[in-house]
Amino acid sequence: NAGVTQTPKFQVLKTGQSMTLQCAQDMNHNSMYWYRQDPGMGLRLIYYSASEGTTDKGEVPNGYNVSRLNKREFSLRLESAAPSQTSVYFCASRWYTEAFFGQGTRLTVV
Amino acid sequence: EDKVVQSPLSLVVHEGDTVTLNCSYEVTNFRSLLWYKQEKKAPTFLFMLTSSGIEKKSGRLSSILDKKELFSILNITATQTGDSAIYLCAVEPRTVQGAQKLVFGQGTRLTINP
Repeated sequence: NAGVTQTPKFQVLKTGQSMTLQCAQDMNHNSMYWYRQDPGMGLRLIYYSASEGTTDKGEVPNGYNVSRLNKREFSLRLESAAPSQTSVYFCASRWYTEAFFGQGTRLTVV
Repeated sequence: EDKVVQSPLSLVVHEGDTVTLNCSYEVTNFRSLLWYKQEKKAPTFLFMLTSSGIEKKSGRLSSILDKKELFSILNITATQTGDSAIYLCAVEPRTVQGAQKLVFGQGTRLTINP
């Protein structure tokens, strides 16, 4: 049972570079989420998708874009990375009950 | 704006103590509240609460929701060092589109000393 799979697990970017974080779930969940977690902080919602073809902004969407490619996949793109985007990123999926989380991507922007 | 506030932010106790963690919220049209435990990596699910006054229990952990006063508590009795973690509270507002937005609080970092 794979659950929620995120890639990559670690990434170092230079300021201004772009990258896409990938997330896939195999639980047939309609809702998917991207969060960031900074040291000593809770999870802050970047974007979420209630269903295939829809996306909505969360609390901290600036500097990010998302794509809900199909029901399984929800990607997060940083077009021009900034040091303030250094964080741990979690993808999650859910359908009415508990949310299941991926193992996280530790991103460092230098 | 939907808001979830947890307290305390940090708590250090001795093994065997009982702790109470708090979560208050302000959301539009409340739907559910969830508690998670986060150790080194991804958060793991503890409880989901939708109705006031009904206690959810799992071993030494229990939680209850008060929808009138807009808060929930998570109790841990006879704490063990393995309970050391960040405890996260999340609230799901009911949106017009039915979307399942999930908003988290800052978390409570609990440390259990032997």
